[in-house]
Amino acid sequence: EIVMTQSPATLSVSPGQRATLSCRASQSVGSNLAWYQQKPGQAPRLLIYGASTRATGIPARFSGSGSGTDFTLTISSLQSEDFAVYYCQQYNNWPPFYTFGQGTKLEIK
Amino acid sequence: QLQLQESGPGLVKPSETLSLTCIVSGDSISSSNYYWGWIRQPPGKGLEWIGSVYYSGTTYYNPSLKSRVIISVDTSDSQFSLKLTSLTAADTAVYFCARQNWGVADYFDYWGQGILVTVSS
Repeated sequence: EIVMTQSPATLSVSPGQRATLSCRASQSVGSNLAWYQQKPGQAPRLLIYGASTRATGIPARFSGSGSGTDFTLTISSLQSEDFAVYYCQQYNNWPPFYTFGQGTKLEIK
Repeated sequence: QLQLQESGPGLVKPSETLSLTCIVSGDSISSSNYYWGWIRQPPGKGLEWIGSVYYSGTTYYNPSLKSRVIISVDTSDSQFSLKLTSLTAADTAVYFCARQNWGVADYFDYWGQGILVTVSS
């Protein structure tokens, strides 16, 4: 099983500032990584796939980078609607065995 | 616009079997580009992939749940289903169905709203 570890568990940032979230895989997943945003009471929303490709309709302030074992999600200028929990997910296994990180809660400072 | 909607019981007794259905509308469940998956989230915790099914019936499961899970598809009714047996309190969770992109990148791009299932006597 590929274990995904996200840090920090909670990140406090002021609106308008930049947020940087990290995700580390226990072994290389290449660029086979996605990021999701989840707000309370809602389903996760796909933000990024292929480590750096924004999903349809995702604002340009969201960007993803990294490959192998270390990945970053950056939100360049935080808006009020961006405060949520963020999860990374790897999809590098065969046969498929998809695993998620434990999440980073992005809260208003 | 693709929509997925979960349905099933909100309360199930320990040792019993959970049966959930996900109805797909707005796109064909028989598309060759997608699998259809189940993901769960215990209250206050993270996401766990349960398994996925192709329109042909091919399935992949989380190894930790494989002995208790069956996922099936009914293309004529545009729906897919989850059966989870031998339930315990640890299976209490919100269960989501989702469309899974297949091939180049296996991400989940459309999700249902989720259904809370509580396992309790």
